[in-house]
Amino acid sequence: AQSVTQPDIHITVSEGASLELRCNYSYGATPYLFWYVQSPGQGLQLLLKYFSGDTLVQGIKGFEAEFKRSQSSFNLRKPSVHWSDAAEYFCAILYGGSQGNLIFGKGTKLSVKP
Amino acid sequence: DAGVIQSPRHEVTEMGQEVTLRCKPISGHDYLFWYRQTMMRGLELLIYFNNNVPIDDSGMPEDRFSAKMPNASFSTLKIQPSEPRDSAVYFCASNGEGDSYEQYFGPGTRLTVT
Repeated sequence: AQSVTQPDIHITVSEGASLELRCNYSYGATPYLFWYVQSPGQGLQLLLKYFSGDTLVQGIKGFEAEFKRSQSSFNLRKPSVHWSDAAEYFCAILYGGSQGNLIFGKGTKLSVKP
Repeated sequence: DAGVIQSPRHEVTEMGQEVTLRCKPISGHDYLFWYRQTMMRGLELLIYFNNNVPIDDSGMPEDRFSAKMPNASFSTLKIQPSEPRDSAVYFCASNGEGDSYEQYFGPGTRLTVT
């Protein structure tokens, strides 16, 4: 069955430090891949997505993610974290090309130390 | 555009009562999704519509849950009777054909059933 795993439930980084959030998926082919961010009390907002082509994708707010087929991974990175990046981050896959087949990971909560 | 609008933002009700959650999608979007978010199960798709027609309701947990979309600008999710285990945050999201599968989420309704 298709699944998304985010191994880290909670990560704390210092402001200005680099960030990497991990995401692994299970699917027999290459799915469409997404990262969403959820600020407290808000809905989810799309950061970036990957469908095909260049495996390094740029998103909003200075985030980027790299697709590695051999590792079934789509890790999210940011070179320098800002206090406003504190939020919960969700990796998601869409498989089979169907709008309804969007599966989310359990999320990683990011805290930022001053 | 105001984005996806959900009401109410918070709902507290007693077990056995009927609960109705409301959603107004982004104008022109022809897909509408209802999700439930809990700590234990994460973000789960309950049902989605295309052009006001329910496409997949396999995520609806029980017959106590029902959803309707009488027109392109309004949808409801009803729980009758409600139970404490229905306590969760319920999100509505919408998407248009030209949006490359990006879903736009509302702020959610936090439901507490006592």
